[in-house]
Amino acid sequence: GQNIDQPTEMTATEGAIVQINCTYQTSGFNGLFWYQQHAGEAPTFLSYNVLDGLEEKGRFSSFLSRSKGYSYLLLKELQMKDSASYLCAVKPGYSGGYNKLIFGAGTRLAVHP
Amino acid sequence: KAGVTQTPRYLIKTRGQQVTLSCSPISGHRSVSWYQQTPGQGLQFLFEYFSETQRNKGNFPGRFSGRQFSNSRSEMNVSTLELGDSALYLCASSISALAGPGANVLTFGAGSRLTVL
Repeated sequence: GQNIDQPTEMTATEGAIVQINCTYQTSGFNGLFWYQQHAGEAPTFLSYNVLDGLEEKGRFSSFLSRSKGYSYLLLKELQMKDSASYLCAVKPGYSGGYNKLIFGAGTRLAVHP
Repeated sequence: KAGVTQTPRYLIKTRGQQVTLSCSPISGHRSVSWYQQTPGQGLQFLFEYFSETQRNKGNFPGRFSGRQFSNSRSEMNVSTLELGDSALYLCASSISALAGPGANVLTFGAGSRLTVL
Protein backbone atom coordinates (compact mmCIF):
# COMPACT_ATOMS: atom_id res chain seq x y z
CA GLY A 1 0.00 0.00 0.00
CA GLN A 2 0.87 3.66 0.02
CA ASN A 3 1.42 5.30 3.36
CA ILE A 4 2.68 8.63 4.60
CA ASP A 5 3.16 9.25 8.31
CA GLN A 6 3.70 12.51 10.12
CA PRO A 7 3.01 13.60 13.69
CA THR A 8 -0.52 14.83 14.35
CA GLU A 9 0.35 17.83 16.48
CA MET A 10 3.39 19.80 17.59
CA THR A 11 3.89 22.89 19.71
CA ALA A 12 6.78 25.31 19.73
CA THR A 13 7.78 28.70 21.05
CA GLU A 14 8.05 31.88 19.03
CA GLY A 15 11.63 32.37 17.84
CA ALA A 16 12.54 28.71 18.21
CA ILE A 17 13.27 26.01 15.62
CA VAL A 18 10.93 23.10 14.90
CA GLN A 19 11.42 20.00 12.77
CA ILE A 20 8.41 18.19 11.31
CA ASN A 21 9.18 14.65 10.20
CA CYS A 22 7.55 12.65 7.44
CA THR A 23 8.10 9.01 6.51
CA TYR A 24 6.67 7.44 3.40
CA GLN A 25 6.13 4.14 1.64
CA THR A 26 4.81 4.53 -1.88
CA SER A 27 4.74 2.71 -5.20
CA GLY A 28 7.64 4.50 -6.82
CA PHE A 29 8.79 8.01 -6.05
CA ASN A 30 8.81 11.14 -8.17
CA GLY A 31 9.34 13.77 -5.52
CA LEU A 32 8.11 15.00 -2.15
CA PHE A 33 6.23 18.22 -1.48
CA TRP A 34 5.50 20.21 1.64
CA TYR A 35 2.42 22.42 1.80
CA GLN A 36 1.24 24.82 4.50
CA GLN A 37 -2.45 25.16 5.28
CA HIS A 38 -3.87 27.78 7.63
CA ALA A 39 -7.26 26.97 9.13
CA GLY A 40 -10.02 27.59 6.61
CA GLU A 41 -7.60 28.40 3.82
CA ALA A 42 -6.11 26.70 0.78
CA PRO A 43 -2.90 24.69 1.08
CA THR A 44 0.06 26.66 -0.25
CA PHE A 45 3.28 25.23 -1.67
CA LEU A 46 6.40 25.41 0.50
CA SER A 47 9.02 23.11 -0.99
CA TYR A 48 9.85 20.24 -3.32
CA ASN A 49 12.60 17.60 -3.01
CA VAL A 50 13.38 14.90 -5.54
CA LEU A 51 17.08 14.34 -4.83
CA ASP A 52 18.65 13.53 -1.47
CA GLY A 53 19.74 16.48 0.58
CA LEU A 54 18.66 19.78 1.96
CA GLU A 55 16.77 22.51 0.14
CA GLU A 56 16.79 25.89 1.86
CA LYS A 57 14.31 28.65 1.23
CA GLY A 58 14.50 31.50 3.70
CA ARG A 59 13.32 30.41 7.15
CA PHE A 60 12.13 27.06 5.77
CA SER A 61 14.31 24.09 4.78
CA SER A 62 13.33 20.64 3.63
CA PHE A 63 15.43 17.48 3.69
CA LEU A 64 15.02 14.21 1.83
CA SER A 65 16.54 10.74 2.18
CA ARG A 66 15.12 8.46 -0.49
CA SER A 67 16.86 5.34 0.85
CA LYS A 68 15.18 5.85 4.23
CA GLY A 69 11.83 7.06 2.88
CA TYR A 70 12.21 10.09 5.11
CA SER A 71 11.84 13.83 4.89
CA TYR A 72 11.66 16.69 7.33
CA LEU A 73 10.61 20.30 7.19
CA LEU A 74 12.66 22.66 9.35
CA LEU A 75 11.18 25.98 10.39
CA LYS A 76 13.54 28.52 11.93
CA GLU A 77 12.86 31.75 13.83
CA LEU A 78 9.28 30.71 14.38
CA GLN A 79 6.62 33.38 14.15
CA MET A 80 3.03 33.29 15.37
CA LYS A 81 1.85 33.27 11.75
CA ASP A 82 3.58 29.89 11.29
CA SER A 83 0.78 28.29 13.32
CA ALA A 84 -0.81 26.09 10.65
CA SER A 85 -1.03 22.54 9.38
CA TYR A 86 1.93 21.24 7.41
CA LEU A 87 1.17 18.63 4.79
CA CYS A 88 3.71 16.15 3.47
CA ALA A 89 2.86 14.76 0.02
CA VAL A 90 4.57 12.31 -2.32
CA LYS A 91 4.24 12.11 -6.09
CA PRO A 92 4.18 8.35 -6.66
CA GLY A 93 5.57 6.32 -9.52
CA TYR A 94 4.35 6.42 -13.07
CA SER A 95 1.33 4.22 -12.47
CA GLY A 96 -0.13 6.95 -10.32
CA GLY A 97 1.76 9.79 -11.86
CA TYR A 98 0.84 13.05 -13.49
CA ASN A 99 -0.43 15.35 -10.76
CA LYS A 100 -1.69 12.77 -8.27
CA LEU A 101 -0.15 13.34 -4.85
CA ILE A 102 -0.39 11.05 -1.84
CA PHE A 103 -0.83 13.23 1.26
CA GLY A 104 -0.14 12.55 4.89
CA ALA A 105 -2.83 13.54 7.39
CA GLY A 106 -0.92 16.72 8.23
CA THR A 107 0.87 18.08 11.29
CA ARG A 108 -0.88 20.84 13.18
CA LEU A 109 1.75 23.23 14.55
CA ALA A 110 0.90 25.67 17.33
CA VAL A 111 3.39 28.46 17.99
CA HIS A 112 3.16 30.06 21.44
CA PRO A 113 4.59 33.41 22.58
CA LYS B 1 -3.29 37.14 -11.33
CA ALA B 2 -6.45 35.49 -10.05
CA GLY B 3 -6.04 32.26 -8.11
CA VAL B 4 -8.07 29.07 -8.27
CA THR B 5 -11.74 29.85 -7.73
CA GLN B 6 -14.14 27.30 -6.29
CA THR B 7 -17.88 27.68 -5.99
CA PRO B 8 -19.88 27.36 -3.91
CA ARG B 9 -17.75 27.81 -0.80
CA TYR B 10 -20.29 26.26 1.54
CA LEU B 11 -23.29 24.07 0.96
CA ILE B 12 -25.62 21.83 2.91
CA LYS B 13 -27.38 18.87 1.36
CA THR B 14 -29.39 15.93 2.61
CA ARG B 15 -28.71 12.25 2.08
CA GLY B 16 -29.69 11.02 -1.36
CA GLN B 17 -29.33 14.38 -3.06
CA GLN B 18 -26.64 15.21 -5.57
CA VAL B 19 -24.21 18.10 -5.72
CA THR B 20 -22.10 19.81 -8.38
CA LEU B 21 -18.97 21.75 -7.46
CA SER B 22 -17.18 24.10 -9.80
CA CYS B 23 -13.52 25.03 -10.19
CA SER B 24 -11.95 27.75 -12.33
CA PRO B 25 -8.18 27.24 -12.60
CA ILE B 26 -5.52 29.90 -12.87
CA SER B 27 -5.49 31.37 -16.36
CA GLY B 28 -3.19 29.28 -18.55
CA HIS B 29 -3.30 26.22 -16.30
CA ARG B 30 -4.54 23.18 -18.17
CA SER B 31 -4.45 20.55 -15.44
CA VAL B 32 -7.10 20.37 -12.73
CA SER B 33 -7.07 17.91 -9.83
CA TRP B 34 -9.68 17.32 -7.15
CA TYR B 35 -9.05 16.21 -3.57
CA GLN B 36 -11.29 15.38 -0.64
CA GLN B 37 -10.11 16.59 2.78
CA THR B 38 -11.51 15.18 6.00
CA PRO B 39 -10.20 15.48 9.58
CA GLY B 40 -7.75 12.70 10.33
CA GLN B 41 -7.65 11.43 6.74
CA GLY B 42 -5.91 14.33 5.13
CA LEU B 43 -6.25 15.01 1.43
CA GLN B 44 -7.31 12.10 -0.73
CA PHE B 45 -7.01 12.23 -4.50
CA LEU B 46 -10.27 12.07 -6.43
CA PHE B 47 -9.35 12.65 -10.07
CA GLU B 48 -7.29 14.70 -12.46
CA TYR B 49 -8.13 16.26 -15.81
CA PHE B 50 -5.90 17.58 -18.52
CA SER B 51 -7.10 18.89 -21.87
CA GLU B 52 -10.65 17.70 -21.11
CA THR B 53 -9.46 14.12 -20.51
CA GLN B 54 -9.50 12.30 -17.19
CA ARG B 55 -5.88 11.27 -16.68
CA ASN B 56 -6.12 9.63 -13.30
CA LYS B 57 -8.78 8.53 -10.82
CA GLY B 58 -8.57 7.85 -7.11
CA ASN B 59 -10.18 5.08 -5.12
CA PHE B 60 -13.66 6.55 -4.81
CA PRO B 61 -17.01 5.01 -5.78
CA GLY B 62 -18.65 5.74 -9.10
CA ARG B 63 -20.95 8.26 -7.40
CA PHE B 64 -18.05 10.67 -7.72
CA SER B 65 -17.54 11.98 -11.22
CA GLY B 66 -16.07 14.98 -12.92
CA ARG B 67 -15.39 16.67 -16.19
CA GLN B 68 -13.31 19.43 -17.69
CA PHE B 69 -14.41 21.94 -20.27
CA SER B 70 -12.47 23.39 -23.20
CA ASN B 71 -11.64 26.51 -21.16
CA SER B 72 -10.04 24.22 -18.49
CA ARG B 73 -12.82 24.90 -15.98
CA SER B 74 -13.82 21.74 -14.17
CA GLU B 75 -16.80 20.41 -12.31
CA MET B 76 -17.20 17.46 -10.00
CA ASN B 77 -20.46 15.78 -9.17
CA VAL B 78 -21.42 13.56 -6.28
CA SER B 79 -24.69 11.67 -6.63
CA THR B 80 -26.77 9.90 -3.98
CA LEU B 81 -25.01 11.75 -1.16
CA GLU B 82 -24.08 9.89 2.01
CA LEU B 83 -23.24 11.28 5.44
CA GLY B 84 -19.60 10.27 4.91
CA ASP B 85 -19.33 12.57 1.92
CA SER B 86 -19.23 15.56 4.28
CA ALA B 87 -15.83 17.07 3.63
CA LEU B 88 -13.87 19.93 2.18
CA TYR B 89 -13.43 19.43 -1.56
CA LEU B 90 -10.31 21.07 -2.88
CA CYS B 91 -9.49 21.81 -6.47
CA ALA B 92 -5.93 22.41 -7.61
CA SER B 93 -4.58 23.59 -10.92
CA SER B 94 -1.20 23.24 -12.56
CA ILE B 95 0.31 24.46 -15.80
CA SER B 96 0.92 20.95 -17.08
CA ALA B 97 0.86 17.33 -16.09
CA LEU B 98 4.29 15.71 -15.88
CA ALA B 99 4.37 11.95 -15.70
CA GLY B 100 7.78 11.72 -14.07
CA PRO B 101 9.87 13.69 -11.62
CA GLY B 102 9.25 17.37 -11.69
CA ALA B 103 8.09 20.12 -9.39
CA ASN B 104 4.70 20.41 -11.00
CA VAL B 105 3.37 22.63 -8.25
CA LEU B 106 -0.32 22.45 -7.52
CA THR B 107 -2.09 25.70 -6.65
CA PHE B 108 -5.14 25.01 -4.53
CA GLY B 109 -8.41 26.83 -4.25
CA ALA B 110 -9.98 27.55 -0.87
CA GLY B 111 -12.36 24.63 -1.29
CA SER B 112 -16.05 23.86 -1.18
CA ARG B 113 -17.21 22.69 2.23
CA LEU B 114 -20.02 20.17 1.85
CA THR B 115 -22.18 19.13 4.78
CA VAL B 116 -24.54 16.20 4.30
CA LEU B 117 -27.38 15.89 6.81
